[in-house]
Amino acid sequence: GAVVSQHPSWVICKSGTSVKIECRSLDFQATTMFWYRQFPKQSLMLMATSNEGSKATYEQGVEKDKFLINHASLTLSTLTVTSAHPEDSSFYICSANPLYNSPLHFGNGTRLTVT
Amino acid sequence: AQSVTQLGSHVSVSEGALVLLRCNYSSSVPPYLFWYVQYPNQGLQLLLKYTSAATLVKGINGFEAEFKKSETSFHLTKPSAHMSDAAEYFCAVTTNTGNQFYFGTGTSLTVIP
Repeated sequence: GAVVSQHPSWVICKSGTSVKIECRSLDFQATTMFWYRQFPKQSLMLMATSNEGSKATYEQGVEKDKFLINHASLTLSTLTVTSAHPEDSSFYICSANPLYNSPLHFGNGTRLTVT
Repeated sequence: AQSVTQLGSHVSVSEGALVLLRCNYSSSVPPYLFWYVQYPNQGLQLLLKYTSAATLVKGINGFEAEFKKSETSFHLTKPSAHMSDAAEYFCAVTTNTGNQFYFGTGTSLTVIP
């Protein structure tokens, strides 16, 4: 149980375009989902906490107008990278937990490459 | 505030040898501790968790970890390394009063045949 599905697993886009990444909790409801960014050979950097029915909470230094987060239902959160640039190329991972303070379950990540 | 420190960004062991990956935590309240494994281009998979029950925690794939409050440690061990254990390992901490997870910088495990 506690499966988190992330789509797409990889995407290549041109500079200036926008890319949407979906994160779904398949067998549980998640009022909160977390979005991380991971650079090569580095740890996860929390970008934002996605809250169902309300605005996301962004970490310091993360541009909320560039990384739009929508958590429209209890099983779906989306991250849209707007006007992507090559420096946005990275591995993005979402996570959620079925119960408060239970382990986080992670999606398989999305490899974004901006050309 | 909570944090974890993973000593050793890279660890190499021979196949069949003991695996020891170190994690020390800092927390002003009782911590919940986790170990995750990440294979290339994949998300993180939970190996095991400590949530204030037994201090010796057994996880998947033969891994275990012991919570030592006196040493503020939660080191991950496996008696005999297998080639398939080669991956990136992350220690993480949260508390029972918050839902914010803090991850260590990761340890890359290489298994030498």
